[in-house]
Amino acid sequence: DSGVTQTPKHLITATGQRVTLRCSPRSGDLSVYWYQQSLDQGLQFLIQYYNGEERAKGNILERFSAQQFPDLHSELNLSSLELGDSALYFCASSEGTVYNEQFFGPGTRLTVL
Amino acid sequence: GNSVTQMEGPVTLSEEAFLTINCTYTATGYPSLFWYVQYPGEGLQLLLKATKADDKGSNKGFEATYRKETTSFHLEKGSVQVSDSAVYFCALSMNTGNQFYFGTGTSLTVIP
Repeated sequence: DSGVTQTPKHLITATGQRVTLRCSPRSGDLSVYWYQQSLDQGLQFLIQYYNGEERAKGNILERFSAQQFPDLHSELNLSSLELGDSALYFCASSEGTVYNEQFFGPGTRLTVL
Repeated sequence: GNSVTQMEGPVTLSEEAFLTINCTYTATGYPSLFWYVQYPGEGLQLLLKATKADDKGSNKGFEATYRKETTSFHLEKGSVQVSDSAVYFCALSMNTGNQFYFGTGTSLTVIP
């Protein structure tokens, strides 16, 4: 158990809908990262937050957004969903911003029908 | 820019065989290097890491040495077990921002 929790574990929805994925980092970790893992794209970095502020952006679509709250949990919002958004979404956390290993949550499997 | 290239899979080995998964990197500075492992149905877990040139990371019989001259961090294990069947990801992190750059992953299947 990494100490990172993600909810829900599975999510099935329809095209055009909007969903929110939630992540609670390990106790004491200030950085949260979001990744998308699909069969054809591999593991793609989406976005990083550090202590409530956006720190780095990767291959995140404009339809996607995220935030980190004062209690350090984070939410990833996916809107106008398309079939191609079906994937595993991982959250990871780390202590800070320098050379720290990332601890991954178990992931949320999103299926868009 | 920064990137990681790892050997494509899938890799299938017999139990007790020797494993090598190649990983090379490109970085604008001095990165830390990592190997993560993802078992079926789970998230990624850190397997080992090295933070500077010539460091050797090791864990659970796996080893990797940070080679600055060849910009490589190859993963090795002398005798694989069925329980090592998983996807292995090479990654690097720079000392600013802590953004990770992951390779595409290499799937390993070990057969009895």
